Amino acid sequence: AIQMTQSPSSLSASVGDRVTITCRASQDIRSDVGWYQQRPGKAPKFLIYAASSLQSGAPSRFSGSGSGTDFTLTISSLQPEDFATYYCLHDYNYPLSFGPGTKVEIK
Amino acid sequence: EVQLVESGGGLVQPGGSLRLSCAASGFTFSDYDLHWVRQPTGKGLEWVSAIGTAGDTYYPGSVKGRFISSRDNAKNSVHLQLNSLRAGDTAVYYCARAYQYGSVRLDVWGQGTTVTVSS
Repeated sequence: AIQMTQSPSSLSASVGDRVTITCRASQDIRSDVGWYQQRPGKAPKFLIYAASSLQSGAPSRFSGSGSGTDFTLTISSLQPEDFATYYCLHDYNYPLSFGPGTKVEIK
Repeated sequence: EVQLVESGGGLVQPGGSLRLSCAASGFTFSDYDLHWVRQPTGKGLEWVSAIGTAGDTYYPGSVKGRFISSRDNAKNSVHLQLNSLRAGDTAVYYCARAYQYGSVRLDVWGQGTTVTVSS
């Protein structure tokens, strides 16, 4: 089964900062990665699919890139509502698996 | 309104069983794969199962042979039968939909139902 790792596990940032989160797959998964945001006590929200495609309704400050084994989620200008935990999910094949998450906290 | 609503969670003893349900509304249910994702308190997300439009099912090794997913297109619902439950299965269980074609985009989620496995 494919394993997903993320770095960092947490970060502190200020409103307006540019934030980058990295996700790495244990093997080549082409561009078969999505990104999810989860605020405390809430269900996850879908942001990015196919590594770099923005889901309809997701804010344009979110972007994704990468292919093969290395992927990034970038928030161009952090907003107060972006303080949350972010997860990558590979859908290259079954079983799917999430990364362990990156918690974005207020500095 | 597009909506998924889970039910069936509760307290169960180790070794016991539980059946979770997810009721869908506001979209063409038969066009979507349905997934279950769980989250232990304070921990990350774990993908648990998927059922395709044709009833094909998929599981990770951690639950394979213990959990069974099924769907009823006539009732717009999906179920997850949890058997041989362990303390490590304690979590909030979410159902989520993904359009049957293309990337797995879990674009709509339910609010979750809590399963507690304890004696």
